[in-house]
Amino acid sequence: NAGVTQTPEFQVLKTGQSMTLQCAQDMNHEYMSWYRQDPGMGLRLIHYSVGAGITDQGEVPNGYNVSRSTTEDFPLRLLSAAPSQTSVYFCASSSWNTIYFGEGSWLTVV
Amino acid sequence: LAKTTQPISMDSYEGQEVNITCSHNNIATNDYITWYQQFPSQGPRFIIQGYKTKVTNEVASLFIPADRKSSTLSLPRVSLSDTAVYYCLVGSGSGNTGKLIFGQGTTLQVKP
Repeated sequence: NAGVTQTPEFQVLKTGQSMTLQCAQDMNHEYMSWYRQDPGMGLRLIHYSVGAGITDQGEVPNGYNVSRSTTEDFPLRLLSAAPSQTSVYFCASSSWNTIYFGEGSWLTVV
Repeated sequence: LAKTTQPISMDSYEGQEVNITCSHNNIATNDYITWYQQFPSQGPRFIIQGYKTKVTNEVASLFIPADRKSSTLSLPRVSLSDTAVYYCLVGSGSGNTGKLIFGQGTTLQVKP
């Protein structure tokens, strides 16, 4: 009963480094998305996908890339990490209108 | 996209009923209303969903007036463990539109 699985849970990056946050879901959902949540703030949509091979930008896409080669996986790539990208990142998948979230990936950029 | 507006914060005491109202004036015909709860350091989780009138489950009730321009989440007899952020989300029911955008949410603080 995994649901949405994110890795890593915690990561510290140096400014300028790149990395990929992994996300996988086992519910066969077509829709997946990435959100970031800064301390004390709400969720902001980064990128989303409505199916394999289809991605689109959300509210705050700059500095991030995504791809969707399979229904199950939706990785988020930070191209050149900046301190402003320090945040908690949540991956989600959706069945119709119900969103299921992962446990989050805490990213610190120093 | 139907934008949502909620109070930023609310306080309550244990045992009281809490009602959180969300405004969504531009809701579309196909949109459903869904509420999520988020505890610190966790991802949001589904609470309740409705289209019109009233929906009740073991956790909460959702009241939606006929014009659907607002909705009210009702939490009966709250406890300290109900302290969390509550989000109202409006999205299409006729297949995923893709862009599910959260508002700021309502921080509920339950006091002993």
